[in-house]
Amino acid sequence: DTEVTQTPKHLVMGMTNKKSLKCEQHMGHRAMYWYKQKAKKPPELMFVYSYEKLSINESVPSRFSPECPNSSLLNLHLHALQPEDSALYLCASSQDQWAANYGYTFGSGTRLTVV
Amino acid sequence: AQRVTQPEKLLSVFKGAPVELKCNYSYSGSPELFWYVQYSRQRLQLLLRHISRESIKGFTADLNKGETSFHLKKPFAQEEDSAMYYCALTISGANNLFFGTGTRLTVIP
Repeated sequence: DTEVTQTPKHLVMGMTNKKSLKCEQHMGHRAMYWYKQKAKKPPELMFVYSYEKLSINESVPSRFSPECPNSSLLNLHLHALQPEDSALYLCASSQDQWAANYGYTFGSGTRLTVV
Repeated sequence: AQRVTQPEKLLSVFKGAPVELKCNYSYSGSPELFWYVQYSRQRLQLLLRHISRESIKGFTADLNKGETSFHLKKPFAQEEDSAMYYCALTISGANNLFFGTGTRLTVIP
């Protein structure tokens, strides 16, 4: 399996809802990432997990809460989001945090709309 | 701080013509540079990385440290090359990938 799988593909949620995005990989990668991509913009890093520990949080608001239950799974819990949080949320993985020079494998993303 | 610049948001070329997508970076150390491609309705994919000096789908990119550039080239563009191309940079030993703003390439039949 050489893919990063993200679910759901699309999500519409109200500003008072709580939802979660899921990401899964079975390539044995030990670093996993959440990126946010607004329309016609490049992906922007949100969080990095390395060996299931949060190693980078790029000043993301607390309404986004990441979780890495094990080396294959990465979740992003969403609560009290704003309409401006609507974007494509991308998950990625790499062999480990020191092997980023081998490149990342990206999932197809979850398109989130906050209403 | 590191930065990646792709000066062209849009680039159109005719099929069979050479294509060059420009990428310049700023970083005082030794960066690792990549090109990622996003075809319509597909996920972001690694196209090539400078350390491997490989050619993928006919594309090549050479790191020019003097000009701090990593331009992507292909001698004969194909229609299937139409996509969004992102140049990206990471610092060796770090785990953050910085993307340029991207260039949308359209190959005209």
